[in-house]
Amino acid sequence: QVQLVQSGAEVRKPGASVKVSCKASGYTFTNYYLHWVRQAPGQGLEWMGLISPSGGSTSFAQKFQGRLSMTRDTSTRTVYMEVFNLRSEDTAVYYCAREQLLNCFGFWGQGTLVTVSS
Amino acid sequence: EIVLTQSPGTLSLSPGERATLSCRASQSLPSNYLAWYQQKPGQAPRLLIYGASSRATGTPDRFSGSGSGTDFTLTISRLEPEDLAVYYCQQYGGSPLYTFGQGTKLEI
Repeated sequence: QVQLVQSGAEVRKPGASVKVSCKASGYTFTNYYLHWVRQAPGQGLEWMGLISPSGGSTSFAQKFQGRLSMTRDTSTRTVYMEVFNLRSEDTAVYYCAREQLLNCFGFWGQGTLVTVSS
Repeated sequence: EIVLTQSPGTLSLSPGERATLSCRASQSLPSNYLAWYQQKPGQAPRLLIYGASSRATGTPDRFSGSGSGTDFTLTISRLEPEDLAVYYCQQYGGSPLYTFGQGTKLEI
């Protein structure tokens, strides 16, 4: 069965960066885009960007241009999301999600809480 | 930018009642790229409906989606206590590529 397992919670100071991983299993890794979606405490869902595991190409929401990086390692079936120059408003649960038919998110990781605090 | 507006913000109903949740897009959505998700407290979202009206694997048949263009609806025909959750709609194709509505909280 499809599984997405994310790395554990992180605490960072403002201005630092954080890198979160998402390990995929149960399907052909290179066949589906993987996305990152975040959710601030008590708030809704916000799409951040996607990566193509086959070629490594990325597409980011304009809001995150210049502050976001996504990479993948096909040998370990893992994608990584890194946010730079963290601010307090980046405190959120970050989810990876696998795309499926008609551009929706059929499978989700368990979420990774990133706390930005001085 | 395509904005999705969900209504009502909160819906309070009793078990066995019918729930109707609305999602309105600021522009017509191409090819009905509209999905619905359920998020229970402390959990990741779960896909319920895609392509505006197709149930995802495992979605009970009391959940149904309808609509096209700019107006979409998620209907839960007979509420059960475990349906307590926040429900989000999501679109593909605008700018940014993917956006979510602000959510409807369903209280049972």
